[in-house]
Amino acid sequence: NAGVTQTPKFQVLKTGQSMTLQCAQDMNHEYMSWYRQDPGMGLRLIHYSVGAGITDQGEVPNGYNVSRSTTEDFPLRLLSAAPSQTSVYFCASSEDRAINYGYTFGSGTRLTVV
Amino acid sequence: SQQGEEDPQALSIQEGENATMNCSYKTSINNLQWYRQNSGRGLVHLILIRSNEREKHSGRLRVTLDTSKKSSSLLITASRAADTASYFCATVLPYGNNRLAFGKGNQVVVIP
Repeated sequence: NAGVTQTPKFQVLKTGQSMTLQCAQDMNHEYMSWYRQDPGMGLRLIHYSVGAGITDQGEVPNGYNVSRSTTEDFPLRLLSAAPSQTSVYFCASSEDRAINYGYTFGSGTRLTVV
Repeated sequence: SQQGEEDPQALSIQEGENATMNCSYKTSINNLQWYRQNSGRGLVHLILIRSNEREKHSGRLRVTLDTSKKSSSLLITASRAADTASYFCATVLPYGNNRLAFGKGNQVVVIP
């Protein structure tokens, strides 16, 4: 099925560990982004990419790295996990930077940092 | 900072009633979008209204946009239990790579 696939769905990390959240889309969308969702905070943009090889920071980029080597994949790396990074992470993609079409979201990764 | 702010935050209605949610924003926009999120799931795009549009319909959904007041409303008519979800408005700015900025969301509970 076409869409945005995120892995893993759940993850528990210890403080200081690193990990990569995977995101892949098969719709040939150029625009991809990562959001985190925390209770009462809505969704906040972490990083985004307007195409392969191009990434930029969103509202809350500290502690996260991204890269975009292909159109399909947009992994999010946590460099040294902190309890403040406990959250639900969503990857999303858009055909045209959401000017005419909405975003397609993955089902999320629920991350707990202990 | 959050661009969209929904009001009210939580709404509980009986099945068959209409549900209305409002969203306000601070700056000029390219378009405004509404998304639904069922518990434990990702967001699903519902409807997009451009800054030069005033009203848009999609099935049981009606969205209005008032750019002079920088506000939008989402109306769900004849609600069903399956409409129980959180609803988010999001704005696309006309500059800055057209990033999507979300409000904090409205929790809607439809009681069967």
